[in-house]
Amino acid sequence: AQSVTQLDSHVSVSEGTPVLLRCNYSSSYSPSLFWYVQHPNKGLQLLLKYTSAATLVKGINGFEAEFKKSETSFHLTKPSAHMSDAAEYFCVVIGYKLSFGAGTTVTVRA
Amino acid sequence: NAGVTQTPKFQVLKTGQSMTLQCAQDMNHNSMYWYRQDPGMGLRLIHYSVGAGITDQGEVPNGYNVSRLNKREFSLRLESAAPSQTSVYFCASRAQTRKFGNQPQHFGDGTRLSIL
Repeated sequence: AQSVTQLDSHVSVSEGTPVLLRCNYSSSYSPSLFWYVQHPNKGLQLLLKYTSAATLVKGINGFEAEFKKSETSFHLTKPSAHMSDAAEYFCVVIGYKLSFGAGTTVTVRA
Repeated sequence: NAGVTQTPKFQVLKTGQSMTLQCAQDMNHNSMYWYRQDPGMGLRLIHYSVGAGITDQGEVPNGYNVSRLNKREFSLRLESAAPSQTSVYFCASRAQTRKFGNQPQHFGDGTRLSIL
């Protein structure tokens, strides 16, 4: 079986503070993992991807994610949130099929 | 630098009406996908295509038909719209010919469809 769970449906942070978005997955295959961001009324934009190379993956706009096989996690972080980071974030797992998480909405307080 | 272009961006239909959503990509990608996005459910795959004339069902295909006449365009048709099909529809494309793989998908901006 394959599934992906985003542990928080909503995260609220203050501008300049760290952001943590949590993603756990299950897969019988060695998965490829992605994080996408969706701004209002826009399509999904790729933030970063893990495809069995380095476990710490750096993406665009200062985001990074760490693949932890033992914990079956792929959490997304950013050291300092910016107002422009307010959006919805999706964790995606590709094994024998493609599975989208339900999404995490991030709000950033000034 | 258009990427994936979807038309229309918004549409309101009455129950029973038909409609075709259009998608075109200019990246010479082989595979194209149609998804629907509903609150709290992420994106769900409706149909996909790995090349011109080749289409297959995703996880929620009922009520939808697709057509891939050439490499660039992939259309989604609702023959008899139902309120349950109110959603945001996204088209995506990917270079690889396999259904899934480690190359990311590129998404259009979506079509917001309301069925009354």
